[in-house]
Amino acid sequence: NAGVTQTPKFQVLKTGQSMTLQCAQDMNHEYMSWYRQDPGMGLRLIHYSVGAGITDQGEVPNGYNVSRSTTEDFPLRLLSAAPSQTSVYFCASGPLTGDSPLHFGNGTRLTVT
Amino acid sequence: AQSVSQHNHHVILSEAASLELGCNYSYGGTVNLFWYVQYPGQHLQLLLKYFSGDPLVKGIKGFEAEFIKSKFSFNLRKPSVQWSDTAEYFCAVSRRGTYKYIFGIGTRLKVLA
Repeated sequence: NAGVTQTPKFQVLKTGQSMTLQCAQDMNHEYMSWYRQDPGMGLRLIHYSVGAGITDQGEVPNGYNVSRSTTEDFPLRLLSAAPSQTSVYFCASGPLTGDSPLHFGNGTRLTVT
Repeated sequence: AQSVSQHNHHVILSEAASLELGCNYSYGGTVNLFWYVQYPGQHLQLLLKYFSGDPLVKGIKGFEAEFIKSKFSFNLRKPSVQWSDTAEYFCAVSRRGTYKYIFGIGTRLKVLA
């Protein structure tokens, strides 16, 4: 089982550039989410989805867009990167009931210069 | 407001010392509780979880946690730490039957050989 797969592992962007972080899961999980991890701030929820075609904002959504066209994929888009978006990004998935732990991808380390 | 508080942000121990990491939550209703571990450069992995039943739960690598409902706490313990336990530890809560997870800000544990 591949679990949750994130690409790329590392990325450097210049301010104003755009990019998409990819996330795919093969566990048929309805729930998928994106977190950013910053020192001293733990994990903060950016966006989440409870199924194909359904997305919603988390705690820190500004500057990010998401879509969920299939159960498996949940890409995160940065339309115009800013240095404040330098962070480590994790995708996570789980069953909709919440009565199960989240499964995390290996993370994407993004640096915006 | 819903929140998870981890009391110790940085902990340094010598090998064979005992460990206790505090976690308190403010979350209405019945909850599921989790501890995740993140080894350096890796993604979050489940250490242990509590859904119901015996409030003392045992996880991997000799870790255990006790749910004390009256104190809204879910402290993590290990009788004797090893150098390989050096990692960051996150407490997380989800409301039973939902996908809404809240994470604490994490505790960085360093174990000296």
